Parts: sequence; structure tokens; C-alpha cells
Amino acid sequence: AQKVTQAQTEISVVEKEDVTLDCVYETRDTTYYLFWYKQPPSGELVFLIRRNSFDEQNEISGRYSWNFQKSTSSFNFTITASQVVDSAVYFCALSEPFFSGNTPLVFGKGTRLSVIA
Amino acid sequence: DVKVTQSSRYLVKRTGEKVFLECVQDMDHENMFWYRQDPGLGLRLIYFSYDVKMKEKGDIPEGYSVSREKKERFSLILESASTNQTSMYLCASGPPRGYEQYFGPGTRLTVT
Repeated sequence: AQKVTQAQTEISVVEKEDVTLDCVYETRDTTYYLFWYKQPPSGELVFLIRRNSFDEQNEISGRYSWNFQKSTSSFNFTITASQVVDSAVYFCALSEPFFSGNTPLVFGKGTRLSVIA
Repeated sequence: DVKVTQSSRYLVKRTGEKVFLECVQDMDHENMFWYRQDPGLGLRLIYFSYDVKMKEKGDIPEGYSVSREKKERFSLILESASTNQTSMYLCASGPPRGYEQYFGPGTRLTVT
């Protein structure tokens, strides 16, 4: 069965520290997609990244980077030089294709990140 | 930019009332979804739709129904609201084939 585990419920860091959010997934398929979303205090989930199971290349976008390792079924998210605006709940999610083309996302329970000035 | 709008940000209803939550997307997406979000439980899928007039149950459909008469609009209906349906409701839309979903701002529903 598909499952996403975010073991860190809450993390608190001081501004400018680096922080890594962990995500471990379980899937029954060889073709799947992984996502990260950010939910700031305003409540709206904001899409950050999508990665398919055939692309293990790490990705960097500004202060954000993602490390995808199929061998450990992990898709970790690192924020470098954290800022107060990074304070949010971050969700990792997984989807597997089925006949309709876009299976619903399975979400982890989220990690609440607090960045203190 | 993809835009998903929800009819209300905050809603207060009484037990037993029929409640309609509306969601509209402007990106011509085939798929639309309704989730509820509760502390400690994360996001849970209520219903989704991959075409007009089509619907599929999610993980927690009990007490809810949905309607999709037009491609851009997906409604969540609480036939008889109960206090355990007090929650944040999130609507999302997305293209097919494993692409990301785009979320609306959410409706915080309180049932008293």
C-alpha cells in the first residue's frame, strides 16, 4: 500500500540555519510521483516540486534543494539559510498512476517548521 | 497562474443544516478533489472527480456527497451537518498523469 511518513512533527531553528525535512514513502509501483507542498499560516497549500520515480537527480532551486534516493525510499527537502518566511507546515506527497491518469495524492502528516529570528 | 477559488473562507452552520461548499478552477483541469484537514490527521481525501458527472469516493466519504455538473466546478455537500464535520476543507484541481494538484485557500467550517 502507498504511504508517506514524515517522522518530524515539529522543527524549530534559528534564522540562517540549514534545516532538512525528512520524507519516507512506500509504494507498490515502479512508476510514481513525489511532491512537496508548503502551507503557510494563511492556509493555502503551495506546490513546490514534483519528481517522477525515474529521475533521481537532485534538484536545487534557490535556497531549496531536494534529495531523492530510491534505495532508501526517501525524498528529503533541505532549506539553506532559513528565513522567518519559511515558517510553515510542509507536506510530502506520493501518487501512483491509475486508469484515470491522476491518482489522488497520499500525503504525509506534515512537518511544522518554525524559524525564529 | 492556476487559480482555484472556494466560495467561503469561513462558514458557521448549525447541526442538521445542509451545507454546500463550492470550488471553481480556471485551468480546464480534468481532475478535482475535496480534502479535509484536521490537526494530527493531515489531509484526508473525501471525494474526487476525473470528469464531469463522474465521482470517486476517497478515504472518508461518509456524510458527504459531491456534484460536478460543469468541468470547472466541484461542489461538496454535507447533507446534514454534524459537529464532527467541523474542519478545514480544501479543494484542489489538477491535470492527469501524475501531475501536481493546485489547491484553493480552504474553507474553515464550524458546525455548532
